[in-house]
Amino acid sequence: AQSVAQPEDQVNVAEGNPLTVKCTYSVSGNPYLFWYVQYPNRGLQFLLKYITGDNLVKGSYGFEAEFNKSQTSFHLKKPSALVSDSALYFCAHTGTASKLTFGTGTRLQVTL
Amino acid sequence: DTGVSQDPRHKITKRGQNVTFRCDPISEHNRLYWYRQTLGQGPEFLTYFQNEAQLEKSRLLSDRFSAERPKGSFSTLEIQRTEQGDSAMYLCASSTKQGTDTQYFGPGTRLTVL
Repeated sequence: AQSVAQPEDQVNVAEGNPLTVKCTYSVSGNPYLFWYVQYPNRGLQFLLKYITGDNLVKGSYGFEAEFNKSQTSFHLKKPSALVSDSALYFCAHTGTASKLTFGTGTRLQVTL
Repeated sequence: DTGVSQDPRHKITKRGQNVTFRCDPISEHNRLYWYRQTLGQGPEFLTYFQNEAQLEKSRLLSDRFSAERPKGSFSTLEIQRTEQGDSAMYLCASSTKQGTDTQYFGPGTRLTVL
């Protein structure tokens, strides 16, 4: 089955420190990978996606993600975390069927 | 606001009642998706439309669920004879025609079945 996995339920980081939220994928064919963020009682906001091309993808709010084919990973990163980045982050992929298949989510907690 | 809108934002109903939710996609988007998200989980795909045609339905979409997009614009999701297990956030998203195009989500409708 095609899937994405987020191995960490929660990531804690101090404000100003770099953050990484992990995602690995198991997809046959070309992986089309996405990151979304969800704030409490809100819908999902698109951050970035990898379709093809450069392995380093830059997105909204200073986030970036690195596509690594050999490690089948697509980790989300930010050089300097903000308290306002605290939210639920979802990795997802889509194939030719167009529907998104989401990971279980990682809660990011940024503290002062 | 030109984003995806959903109505209502919250719905509380009693078990056995029927409920209907509405989604208005971004105007130039011809694909519309419905997802369901339960507490602590990622969203799960329910169904999607390209224009007015419903192209795929998940096994999660039991016969109590029906979705329509009659004119290829807004969509409705109806749940008949609601059950407590239907309590969830129902999310709508829209995108352009290309399969890898970004899906933009609405704020969701939170359903509570008592």
